[in-house]
Amino acid sequence: EIVLTQSPGTLSLSPGERVTLSCRASQTVSNRNYLAWYQQKPGQAPRLLIYEASYRASGIPDRFSGSGSGTDFTLTISTLEPEDFAVYYCQQYGRSPWTFGQGTKVEIK
Amino acid sequence: QVQLQESGPGLVKPSETLSLTCTVSGGPVTSGSHYWSWVRQPPGKGLEWIGNIFYNGNTDYNPSLKGRISISIDTSKNTFFLKVNSVTAADTAVYYCARDGYKGLDYWGPGTLVSISS
Repeated sequence: EIVLTQSPGTLSLSPGERVTLSCRASQTVSNRNYLAWYQQKPGQAPRLLIYEASYRASGIPDRFSGSGSGTDFTLTISTLEPEDFAVYYCQQYGRSPWTFGQGTKVEIK
Repeated sequence: QVQLQESGPGLVKPSETLSLTCTVSGGPVTSGSHYWSWVRQPPGKGLEWIGNIFYNGNTDYNPSLKGRISISIDTSKNTFFLKVNSVTAADTAVYYCARDGYKGLDYWGPGTLVSISS
């Protein structure tokens, strides 16, 4: 199975800062870059932010962007808003079994 | 707007079978563009994909759970199901159902906590 490694584990930041989260796969995800990013807040289900590595899901603000291909992917939040403090997961859905990274927590500094 | 809702017992005894239902509204499970997935999350931990099903009954399971899980679908009720056999405390988790397609898991239910305890 494809192992996804997210870094860092935790980020302590202030509103207004730029955020860059990394997701590295143990092998190529797929030729369609089937890599998604999710945001999860306490007590809530994950919310899809990005699919196919770089496409924003419906209703997602344009401060969220995704990039990368092959084995290295990045989620960027251009300007951190108070509601963005959460845990972020990457997930590959190109090769079964689908797998998730262990998550990056973005917390208030 | 597609909506999913999990339902089932919140407490299951060790060695018994965990059974959950996911009811889908706002769109048919017979969509040829989507699979229907189950994901779980132990308290305080990360997400684990359990498996998925297509409307024709084709399934794909996570090998880490294979042999203990079964996913089925009832297209007449727009519903799909999860069974996990021989549960232990390690199966305690919030269980989510989700729509699964080329956009990843784009719609999720709110989740249901299932505790395994005698």
